[in-house]
Amino acid sequence: GAGVSQSPRYKVAKRGQDVALRCDPISGHVSLFWYQQALGQGPEFLTYFQNEAQLDKSGLPSDRFFAERPEGSVSTLKIQRTQQEDSAVYLCASTQGTGRYEQYFGPGTRLTVT
Amino acid sequence: DQQVKQNSPSLSVQEGRISILNCDYTNSMFDYFLWYKKYPAEGPTFLISISSIKDKNEDGRFTVFLNKSAKHLSLHIVPSQPGDSAVYFCAASSNRDDKIIFGKGTRLHILP
Repeated sequence: GAGVSQSPRYKVAKRGQDVALRCDPISGHVSLFWYQQALGQGPEFLTYFQNEAQLDKSGLPSDRFFAERPEGSVSTLKIQRTQQEDSAVYLCASTQGTGRYEQYFGPGTRLTVT
Repeated sequence: DQQVKQNSPSLSVQEGRISILNCDYTNSMFDYFLWYKKYPAEGPTFLISISSIKDKNEDGRFTVFLNKSAKHLSLHIVPSQPGDSAVYFCAASSNRDDKIIFGKGTRLHILP
């Protein structure tokens, strides 16, 4: 595809449910990032993959958050036992090389936990 | 502790005038700075960047200025157009790792 795509675009979950958010990066992009954006805040780093290797997961807020990219392309962010404070927009970004330069973002998944 | 600070949550500017968005940073290891623009229900899109070896970078109507001694950068948009109404994020990175740190954003309103 032409850009980064994310699905679903919107997700409503009851507290305690598990959710899975998908990211399809730009084809050929080596690096993939997940961010959490709370209302009125900037994107906050969650985790980073280079191909299938998860190189940095220092931003994951708790062990309820888990991300994978098994074949080095599509990535899934899983949140177990969702809590109200998990409500946010989850953004995925990809880049051809190192992520410290320009990153290309998807439209995000808005997660609402009720 | 916010490493990248955008102290103005919002800014209103008349169409045709100059918009100036400001950003301060605290981490002296940052050596690359970016501005992203975000429309509602879309992801951020890259606008312009600057390396710490420069003090100015220009791209059409957009110019970014970097003052390393003050740990301050600014984005100038001239002339401002209605389509510039969006949230602007300042971001920074260092060569110590492969991630970008974002500020909280400034919402720019261009007034007709």
